[in-house]
Amino acid sequence: EAGVVQSPRYKIIEKKQPVAFWCNPISGHNTLYWYLQNLGQGPELLIRYENEEAVDDSQLPKDRFSAERLKGVDSTLKIQPAELGDSAVYLCASSLSGGLETQYFGPGTRLLVL
Amino acid sequence: GQSLEQPSEVTAVEGAIVQINCTYQTSGFYGLSWYQQHDGGAPTFLSYNALDGLEETGRFSSFLSRSDSYGYLLLQELQMKDSASYFCAVKNVNTGFQKLVFGTGTRLLVSP
Repeated sequence: EAGVVQSPRYKIIEKKQPVAFWCNPISGHNTLYWYLQNLGQGPELLIRYENEEAVDDSQLPKDRFSAERLKGVDSTLKIQPAELGDSAVYLCASSLSGGLETQYFGPGTRLLVL
Repeated sequence: GQSLEQPSEVTAVEGAIVQINCTYQTSGFYGLSWYQQHDGGAPTFLSYNALDGLEETGRFSSFLSRSDSYGYLLLQELQMKDSASYFCAVKNVNTGFQKLVFGTGTRLLVSP
């Protein structure tokens, strides 16, 4: 069975440019998460979806970040405009509903903002 | 607020046993998970403890004491491939939402 797929794996952009990340979760996993991970730190939750509904976006900086999960499968996370401080790894994870403690992570997108 | 504390780095030799501790302060505690992450890789789930006691899965074991707000990950018969970062993560309820909150991680270096 395929794991969580993310693309691109790496992205380099100039500050103030937009950027988007894509995630395809494990088949059958209704819950999808986007995390941000800075170097030497643990993942920090940005948003959690149950099917197509964002049930926890309390930590998403809504002035520049947005996310969507149309049809309750694939998801896209967007930053517009990007700032230097957004340089980090963006991880997508999925789990079965109610299985928050057991999440399956994708390889992440490493973003560098210049 | 909430906090998790784990050592930043632990070193050990192949074949040895190492214990990575995690103490936490949080409200609405449900349980403690452990994840492994190799450099440049994805975090992978290792274990979850909701009840007090020791859970064993092969060479890895995880322990939880809810009364002490403390847990640990025990790695036996260390192998070079165990060199990675290990994160404890608390499952809790915060601002009405269930969350998994990760610690800052412990970097394990296994030498020959």
